[in-house]
Amino acid sequence: NAGVTQTPKFQVLKTGQSMTLQCAQDMNHEYMSWYRQDPGMGLRLIHYSVGAGITDQGEVPNGYNVSRSTTEDFPLRLLSAAPSQTSVYFCASTPRFGAGNYGYTFGSGTRLTVV
Amino acid sequence: AQRVTQPEKLLSVFKGAPVELKCNYSYSGSPELFWYVQYSRQRLQLLLRHISRESIKGFTADLNKGETSFHLKKPFAQEEDSAMYYCALSGRGNDMRFGAGTRLTVKP
Repeated sequence: NAGVTQTPKFQVLKTGQSMTLQCAQDMNHEYMSWYRQDPGMGLRLIHYSVGAGITDQGEVPNGYNVSRSTTEDFPLRLLSAAPSQTSVYFCASTPRFGAGNYGYTFGSGTRLTVV
Repeated sequence: AQRVTQPEKLLSVFKGAPVELKCNYSYSGSPELFWYVQYSRQRLQLLLRHISRESIKGFTADLNKGETSFHLKKPFAQEEDSAMYYCALSGRGNDMRFGAGTRLTVKP
């Protein structure tokens, strides 16, 4: 049982490049989300998904795309990287939301630098 | 709108002293509140949930709806408690909002 797996752990991009951050969970969780972590700002929600085929925007969605074709995978795509997207990105999952929220299981993070 | 405020970015205490990490929230309904911890070079992990009223690693947190607070407390801090702590709120929507975090340092 690996939990939530993120790849890569580190990445350096040039401005304008695109890339995909991978996230996979093996716990059959319905809910998955992406956050970015910036100093002094905590974690801010980028996108989330309540199940396969369903995605929605969070607080800071601009410049990012997501898809959820399977329950296990929730990749985050940077369309055209900008220095403002330099951050640490976390993927998280939970069995479900609403009553009885169990809290998140987090991945180990991807540290992205855009130069 | 749901918002979580952690007023202290940094908190430093001596080993054996009591510690309280403050968390205030803004939400019109009945929220579900959480504390997460991130130790150095590790991933974030759930510390405790208000709904389960549990004590983890000696930490407790009480939801005070009148003061809209969910402060995290431990009577005797240990050096291994040094970490980044995040308070988070889940409301009616399908997202969880985090505070900016408090970095706790426990000095020997």
